Amino acid sequence: AQTVTQSQPEMSVQEAETVTLSCTYDTSESDYYLFWYKQPPSRQMILVIRQEAYKQQNATENRFSVNFQKAAKSFSLKISDSQLGDAAMYFCASGETSGSRLTFGEGTQLTVNP
Amino acid sequence: KAGVTQTPRYLIKTRGQQVTLSCSPISGHRSVSWYQQTPGQGLQFLFEYFSETQRNKGNFPGRFSGRQFSNSRSEMNVSTLELGDSALYLCASSLVGTSVYEQYFGPGTRLTVT
Repeated sequence: AQTVTQSQPEMSVQEAETVTLSCTYDTSESDYYLFWYKQPPSRQMILVIRQEAYKQQNATENRFSVNFQKAAKSFSLKISDSQLGDAAMYFCASGETSGSRLTFGEGTQLTVNP
Repeated sequence: KAGVTQTPRYLIKTRGQQVTLSCSPISGHRSVSWYQQTPGQGLQFLFEYFSETQRNKGNFPGRFSGRQFSNSRSEMNVSTLELGDSALYLCASSLVGTSVYEQYFGPGTRLTVT
């Protein structure tokens, strides 16, 4: 079984600043994937970034990057040059390679202040 | 390509009734997963269908069921509705068989049980 924990229910950041959202996970799988999803007020879940557990290199997508610490089972998301459109609920999720089941954390509500 | 579509977007039902929700995956995607999102329980996996077969199932009572058709479209059914079934139901599709998979979510169906 997999568990995902996000310990920050709410975070805020000033526009153009950098913010880091935390996530820890636990899994008995040897091969798995980790994801960050964004859910704006429209409720549409949008994939922000993904990380394959077997890759040591941290994933990067434009202003979004992760800090993947496999031994510590930590997977944080860094948003650089924050924009008003980044305001949303962010979910960390883990996925097994043997299927499409995703386990989600509780979410972090990110506010971006102008 | 068109994204994942879900119908209806909003639904109001009475306790004890049953409901059917529909999900059309992205063209070419063969896996469809369903999730329930509530303020109290967060995002929880319901089940996954692949090639018309249920491949994975979450911890939900038997009142929750689903199926997948030969064109990969999926339906989920909830019988004998309870007030606690009020939730946002999200469907996600994925392209199974690639080395890295990711799920693309639909806009969801907001179900209200009165």
